[in-house]
Amino acid sequence: AQSVTQLGSHVSVSEGALVLLRCNYSSSVPPYLFWYVQYPNQGLQLLLKYTTGATLVKGINGFEAEFKKSETSFHLTKPSAHMSDAAEYFCAVSVTGGTSYGKLTFGQGTILTVHP
Amino acid sequence: DAGVIQSPRHEVTEMGQEVTLRCKPISGHDYLFWYRQTMMRGLELLIYFNNNVPIDDSGMPEDRFSAKMPNASFSTLKIQPSEPRDSAVYFCASSTGTANSPLHFGNGTRLTVT
Repeated sequence: AQSVTQLGSHVSVSEGALVLLRCNYSSSVPPYLFWYVQYPNQGLQLLLKYTTGATLVKGINGFEAEFKKSETSFHLTKPSAHMSDAAEYFCAVSVTGGTSYGKLTFGQGTILTVHP
Repeated sequence: DAGVIQSPRHEVTEMGQEVTLRCKPISGHDYLFWYRQTMMRGLELLIYFNNNVPIDDSGMPEDRFSAKMPNASFSTLKIQPSEPRDSAVYFCASSTGTANSPLHFGNGTRLTVT
């Protein structure tokens, strides 16, 4: 079985500061990893995904994440926070194979607050 | 593409009433998922379909919940009878179903049971 742990349910940064949202996963097989963003009263939108190949993945809105197998981590970063980045962020892992093919397991989410 | 379409956006009902939530997936997506989001439990997968067939309903909380997918372009999630603890935001999502394919979410239905 797979699982996802997001460290910190709330993260607060100043505008222009580095954003770092932490995600660790557990999976018995090579995982596919995703970051989603949820703005108020909306559904989740895909920020980026890791499948195979390059371990540093770039997504929309200037976000990127690095897959580190040795640390079982997939942390999300952005060099300079913008007010519009304020939202809730979810890390997710995909199971490969079997009857759970394509099923995503989500972390508990991290609410990002950006201060002026 | 209009994306995943859910209706209604908001539903307020009294305890004991039947509630039906609706979803239209993205055309060509073979997988459809129903999730529930609450502050306490976060995002929970309730059930998912592949080619209109339910594959895994282990997340359905109890027999009061049922889901159907009569065709590739429509799914319903029904709660009968509804209870206050069912209050949550219910999301429908669809995908092409490969393990690395992302889910495309609808905007959700906010259900309030009084």
